[in-house]
Amino acid sequence: EVQLVQSGAEVKKPGESLKISCKGSGYSFSTSWIGWVRQMSGKGLEWMGIIYPADSDLRYSRSIQGQVTISADKSISTAYLQWSSLKASDTAIYYCVRQETTLSFIDVWGQGTPVTVSS
Amino acid sequence: SYVLTQPPSVSVAPGQTAGITCGGNNIGYKRVHWFQQKSGLAPVLVVHDDSDRPSGIPERFSGSNSGNTATLTITRVEAGDEADYYCQVWDSSSDHVVFGGGTKLTVL
Repeated sequence: EVQLVQSGAEVKKPGESLKISCKGSGYSFSTSWIGWVRQMSGKGLEWMGIIYPADSDLRYSRSIQGQVTISADKSISTAYLQWSSLKASDTAIYYCVRQETTLSFIDVWGQGTPVTVSS
Repeated sequence: SYVLTQPPSVSVAPGQTAGITCGGNNIGYKRVHWFQQKSGLAPVLVVHDDSDRPSGIPERFSGSNSGNTATLTITRVEAGDEADYYCQVWDSSSDHVVFGGGTKLTVL
C-alpha cells in the first residue's frame, strides 16, 4: 500500500524553528514528486511547493518562497518542511502529498501535521 | 498567476444532482482534478484528468471540462457526500499546483 506518514502535532512559540517530516512507503520514493499543502483553520487548500527526491529539483509557491525550506532524504524515503523562525500566522495543518509527475494528479495525502504557534 | 474560481457553497436535496463549477482562463486545455474533504480529514481524490474516477469512487461522481469551466457532478446525492470540494490544476507557465477556493456542499 502506498502511504505517506507524517510526524506528529507540534506546539511552538513565535521565533522558534521547526522541521516536520513525511515518510513514504510502498513505492519508489525517489521517482515521485512530494509536495506540501497548507490548510489554515476553516480555510482552503494552499499549495506550498514540491520536490523531486531523486535530484532535489524544487518548486516553491511565490507566496511561500523564502518563508520555508522543503527538502528530502531519499536514503530514508523522507521529505521535510522546515521553518527557521515561526510566526503565529504559520498555525495550520500541513499535508504532504504525492504526484507521479508535476502534471499528474495528487494521488496520496499524508494524514496532516497540525502546527500551532502561540506565545 | 493562474486563478481557479469556485462558488463558496452549493446546496442540494438528497437524491438530486449537484454541480460544482471551477472557472479558469482556458481551463479546458488543462487537466482538472477534484478532491473531497470531509470535516477533520485529509482530502480524497474523487475525479482526475477531467473525468476519470479512481478505484473505489462511486459512479455517481463525474467530471467534465471545456472552455473556461470544469464541472464536478454528483448524481443521486447522499448525506455522506456533504463535504468541501476543491478543484486543482498544474499551471505550466508558473510550475505551480493551483487549487480552487473550495465549495461547501450542503445536503438539505
